[in-house]
Amino acid sequence: GAVVSQHPSRVICKSGTSVKIECRSLDFQATTMFWYRQFPKQSLMLMATSNEGSKATYEQGVEKDKFLINHASLTLSTLTVTSAHPEDSSFYICSALPGSEDTQYFGPGTRLTVL
Amino acid sequence: AQSVSQHNHHVILSEAASLELGCNYSYGGTVNLFWYVQYPGQHLQLLLKYFSGDPLVKGIKGFEAEFIKSKFSFNLRKPSVQWSDTAEYFCAVKPPGSARQLTFGSGTQLTVLP
Repeated sequence: GAVVSQHPSRVICKSGTSVKIECRSLDFQATTMFWYRQFPKQSLMLMATSNEGSKATYEQGVEKDKFLINHASLTLSTLTVTSAHPEDSSFYICSALPGSEDTQYFGPGTRLTVL
Repeated sequence: AQSVSQHNHHVILSEAASLELGCNYSYGGTVNLFWYVQYPGQHLQLLLKYFSGDPLVKGIKGFEAEFIKSKFSFNLRKPSVQWSDTAEYFCAVKPPGSARQLTFGSGTQLTVLP
């Protein structure tokens, strides 16, 4: 149980385009999902907390207009990287919290490469 | 700044050696503590967690961790590692008052030589 999927697993796009990444909890409902960014050989940096039916809470230094988060249902959160630039190239990971637990379950990540 | 520290960036062991990975945090008050593992090309998986009670926590795959409040530590241990334990290990802390967010350490890459 507690499986989280992400789609796509890899995406390559041109500079200036927008990319949408989906995060789904497959066998549980998640009122809260988190979006992280992981640079090579580094730790996970929390970008934002996504709550179903309300606006996301962004960490300091994360541009909310660039990284749009939508959590429209209890099983789906999306991260849209708008007007992507090469410096946005990274590994984006989501996690989901079952409503009754304090343990996050992680998705497999999405490798974004912006040319 | 309050943080989570993993001082070992890369550990190399031979099979059957004992493992201890350090994790220290700087938050006061009640914290929840986690160890996650990331095998090559795979997503993070929960190894074990501590919320309260017995400070010696047993997890999956023979791993255990000990919460020592006085030292602000939550070190991960395994008596005898296997080649399949090669992975990146992350310590994470849910600080007091946090709305369920986690703060991660920088990770430790463990390489087990056959």
